[in-house]
Amino acid sequence: EVQLVESGGGLAQPGGSLRLSCAASGITLSKSFIGWVRQAPGKGLEWVSVFYSDDALHNAGGTYYADPVRGRFTVSRDISKNTLFLQMNSLRVEDTAVYYCVCSASWTGLFDIWGQGTMVTVSS
Amino acid sequence: DIVMTQSPDSLAVSLGERATINCKSSQSVLYSSNNKNYLAWYQQRPGQPPKLLISWASTRESGVPDRFSGGGSGTDFTLTISSLQAEDVAVYHCQQYYTTPPWTFGQGTKVEIK
Repeated sequence: EVQLVESGGGLAQPGGSLRLSCAASGITLSKSFIGWVRQAPGKGLEWVSVFYSDDALHNAGGTYYADPVRGRFTVSRDISKNTLFLQMNSLRVEDTAVYYCVCSASWTGLFDIWGQGTMVTVSS
Repeated sequence: DIVMTQSPDSLAVSLGERATINCKSSQSVLYSSNNKNYLAWYQQRPGQPPKLLISWASTRESGVPDRFSGGGSGTDFTLTISSLQAEDVAVYHCQQYYTTPPWTFGQGTKVEIK
């Protein structure tokens, strides 16, 4: 069974930084299509980023970011810990949201596995 | 970017009655090379993360009750709950995952019991 467990959320000041973690089990990050979706309080879902690894069956690996976070957020991974990270810099009030780690078995933007989420609050 | 618009924003339905949610995309999400609609529906119960209900516009995920059905093609889609149950109280989100990012969601539709 695939499980994604997020951590690292909390309170940050505008302009500050936070690093979120997503510990994966049941999948191997080195062969995965995995990313982040966020949900501001009382709002809808917003795709944030996706990271996919090299795979002989699919295209070469890569990373995509949504326009509102490009240049401020960076996705990385620690293969030895099977953990995905989201480094969030230059945080803005509008980044306040629950951040979900998500995974796609079809290697598309169809997210069939979701973590429980971690709350990020950006406020002075 | 493809804009997804759901209607209504909320609806209240009596137990056992039908609920229908609409989702419209600003451009077609039907991929001609495989004739598949890149449209998904998610259910989000209060305090829970979203759960994938339907993919490819009409394919129910394993374990999803058959009272849930998805339809439509191109730019217009529907999610129907044929006989509303108490456990179906949730926000339902449509999403397009057509080719490369950004992938976008509708604003969500809240379903309640009348």
